[in-house]
Amino acid sequence: TQLLEQSPQFLSIQEGENLTVYCNSSSVFSSLQWYRQEPGEGPVLLVTVVTGGEVKKLKRLTFQFGDARKDSSLHITAAQPGDTGLYLCAGERSNDYKLSFGAGTTVTVRA
Amino acid sequence: GAGVSQTPSNKVTEKGKYVELRCDPISGHTALYWYRQSLGQGPEFLIYFQGTGAADDSGLPNDRFFAVRPEGSVSTLKIQRTERGDSAVYLCASSLGNRGSYEQYFGPGTRLTVT
Repeated sequence: TQLLEQSPQFLSIQEGENLTVYCNSSSVFSSLQWYRQEPGEGPVLLVTVVTGGEVKKLKRLTFQFGDARKDSSLHITAAQPGDTGLYLCAGERSNDYKLSFGAGTTVTVRA
Repeated sequence: GAGVSQTPSNKVTEKGKYVELRCDPISGHTALYWYRQSLGQGPEFLIYFQGTGAADDSGLPNDRFFAVRPEGSVSTLKIQRTERGDSAVYLCASSLGNRGSYEQYFGPGTRLTVT
């Protein structure tokens, strides 16, 4: 069983639409990270959130960490084909350097 | 500068054979991690090195898996008597330290296929 549950598993939208990906757990994390992974490559870090309720923006991407530090969301505004990829959330628990990954959300943005 | 590199990029082997997967971390990174990513899943932690020593190998699935980092830089993941269930992408990552404040940089992975 995975510590982090991501939903939805797949998401296909038209260019210009908005989308939200969710990452939920019953565990508390000291930090939570979002990665994007392209086929044949390793995950690339997008953002790290560490404070409950924290919101970070990266251009058209908005990341939120839940107040209880058990969940997070990634919102993309006006999606573009270049946003296509596998989005992974990963959490680090206190005193545990290991990252626990969710299963990922495959996002496809159609032109 | 160069990122994390992994060789080979693809490895096809027969069931029961021995394989070695190599990881070259970013120069100066003391922490090195191995993960395994099965199809449709996120990466799963295998082992973590701080310097030359394996600080945590709790993610290794069984004693057929072993990893070394003899000089605190390059690491090799070794799998004995491979099984079809070992087929996956093996990812290596390195970081400056072992806390969440240090970003982990991932290599492109080695895709292992056991036939």
